[in-house]
Amino acid sequence: GAVVSQHPSRVICKSGTSVKIECRSLDFQATTMFWYRQFPKQSLMLMATSNEGSKATYEQGVEKDKFLINHASLTLSTLTVTSAHPEDSSFYICSARGRGKETQYFGPGTRLLVL
Amino acid sequence: AQSVTQPDIHITVSEGASLELRCNYSYGATPYLFWYVQSPGQGLQLLLKYFSGDTLVQGIKGFEAEFKRSQSSFNLRKPSVHWSDAAEYFCAVGAGNQGGKLIFGQGTELSVKP
Repeated sequence: GAVVSQHPSRVICKSGTSVKIECRSLDFQATTMFWYRQFPKQSLMLMATSNEGSKATYEQGVEKDKFLINHASLTLSTLTVTSAHPEDSSFYICSARGRGKETQYFGPGTRLLVL
Repeated sequence: AQSVTQPDIHITVSEGASLELRCNYSYGATPYLFWYVQSPGQGLQLLLKYFSGDTLVQGIKGFEAEFKRSQSSFNLRKPSVHWSDAAEYFCAVGAGNQGGKLIFGQGTELSVKP
């Protein structure tokens, strides 16, 4: 149980285009989903927290207009990187947590490369 | 401020040897503590967690961790390491509402030599 998927696993795009990453909880209802960014050989940095049906809460320094997060259902959250630039290239990982639960379950991550 | 420190960036152990990965945290209240493992290019897998109760917690793959409040530590141990244990290990403390916001340590890369 507690499986989280992400799609796509890898994406290459041109500078200036937008990219959407999906995060799905496959076998539980995720009332809260989290989006992290991980640079090579570094730890995970929380970007934003989204609760189903509410606006996402962004961490300090994360541009909400650049990283659009939607959590429209209890099993799906999306992260859209708008007008991507090479510096947005990174490993993006989502996690999900059920109602009243303390444990986050992580997706396999999405490798984004912006050319 | 909440923080997690993993003092060892890289550890190498021989297969079959015991392992201890260190984790120290700074948190004002009773923490929710987690250990996750990450293989290259993959997401994170939960090894074990501590919320309350018995301070020695058992996890998957033969791992255990001990919560020591007096030392603000939550070290991860395994009595006999296997080559497949080579990976990056992250300690995290859950802050905020029901520990929802995870604060990660810098990670410890484990190499296993034959």
